Amino acid sequence: GAGVSQTPSNKVTEKGKYVELRCDPISGHTALYWYRQSLGQGPEFLIYFQGTGAADDSGLPNDRFFAVRPEGSVSTLKIQRTERGDSAVYLCASSLSVGVNTEAFFGQGTRLTVV
Amino acid sequence: GQQLNQSPQSMFIQEGEDVSMNCTSSSIFNTWLWYKQDPGEGPVLLIALYKAGELTSNGRLTAQFGITRKDSFLNISASIPSDVGIYFCAGPETSGSRLTFGEGTQLTVNP
Repeated sequence: GAGVSQTPSNKVTEKGKYVELRCDPISGHTALYWYRQSLGQGPEFLIYFQGTGAADDSGLPNDRFFAVRPEGSVSTLKIQRTERGDSAVYLCASSLSVGVNTEAFFGQGTRLTVV
Repeated sequence: GQQLNQSPQSMFIQEGEDVSMNCTSSSIFNTWLWYKQDPGEGPVLLIALYKAGELTSNGRLTAQFGITRKDSFLNISASIPSDVGIYFCAGPETSGSRLTFGEGTQLTVNP
């Protein structure tokens, strides 16, 4: 499809394990964003990429979280030593560029459950 | 950091009724965005507001950017069952690189 695609849609993992969440942005979109949404809350910013580089990673909660976008398209969010508090929906979004007038399109999210 | 407060948290209305929800901030935003999120989906942009005082419509939806730049409201007229979902207000940081979201208003429409 033409939208933002996230895989897997659901992931259940054991506490302490490592997980990778994948995001395929809309073709041609240079900006890519990761957000985390806890139950009953709005999305919270984690990190955004402009091209291949992480332009702002100030939303990552700690050093267990890392994200890459090596070719400026697909991005992977990596979480080490998962904790139960990491359980949430992880949303990816992309936009043509960065700017207040540029619409970001969201994927359907990956629901991560840490047991 | 910036915070957005939405009210009400939830609404239960009858089909055909009009509904209004609002969003306030302790700091100024230069752009206000309203999103709708269906279960199992990501947020979808409904309306974007770029100027203080601006009133914008999208079908049965109308949103206004408050004069103080610290608030916005969203109205839905003649609600229908497919209006059910969570409505979020959001504002971008000055650079436009990240969005701050409110906590959402859960709307339930009874047929």
